[in-house]
Amino acid sequence: AQTVTQSQPEMSVQEAETVTLSCTYDTSESDYYLFWYKQPPSRQMILVIRQEAYKQQNATENRFSVNFQKAAKSFSLKISDSQLGDAAMYFCARSGSARQLTFGSGTQLTVLP
Amino acid sequence: SQTIHQWPATLVQPVGSPLSLECTVEGTSNPNLYWYRQAAGRGLQLLFYSVGIGQISSEVPQNLSASRPQDRQFILSSKKLLLSDSGFYLCACNPGHVGEKLFFGSGTQLSVL
Repeated sequence: AQTVTQSQPEMSVQEAETVTLSCTYDTSESDYYLFWYKQPPSRQMILVIRQEAYKQQNATENRFSVNFQKAAKSFSLKISDSQLGDAAMYFCARSGSARQLTFGSGTQLTVLP
Repeated sequence: SQTIHQWPATLVQPVGSPLSLECTVEGTSNPNLYWYRQAAGRGLQLLFYSVGIGQISSEVPQNLSASRPQDRQFILSSKKLLLSDSGFYLCACNPGHVGEKLFFGSGTQLSVL
């Protein structure tokens, strides 16, 4: 099975500091997309950032950026200037041929005041 | 933009009872539709997806089934619930092209007792 692995079940960061969440994936496809979703306590899934595999440039959305290493099949999320509202479960995901997403097991991020 | 209606928000059912969860989509035509399940504190597992009316693909063998009677309606069913069917069920929609993000419903927390 083609999997997505998040090796950090829990992470914590001090408010205003920077934190990096790790993700590795497996795929046999040459063209695919990678995503980071956030799930706050409300459990609503919220898209944080998206990366197209054929683009070498790392995606950036305000305080969120990724480090995409295609050869290593690595896709980490960096959150800068962490805010209390960033506390949530973060899921890494990879697209499939039917436009479905395969998700990792998640990283619970705690932001400390 | 797309809106996904999913109900009920919470459901408590006895073992052996039937199940029907409904998901409807607004704001798009001919979307791909998905049912995911999330166990407590875990990632999202893809259960079923549909690329069109009457077309259902199952990702994992289980006690559940899915149907798509209309373009924007996706139903998750069971004839007899098991304790292991408990979890948080999310309906999702991809309205267009590969690489587009999934839009998620607000989810149903199912407890089988």
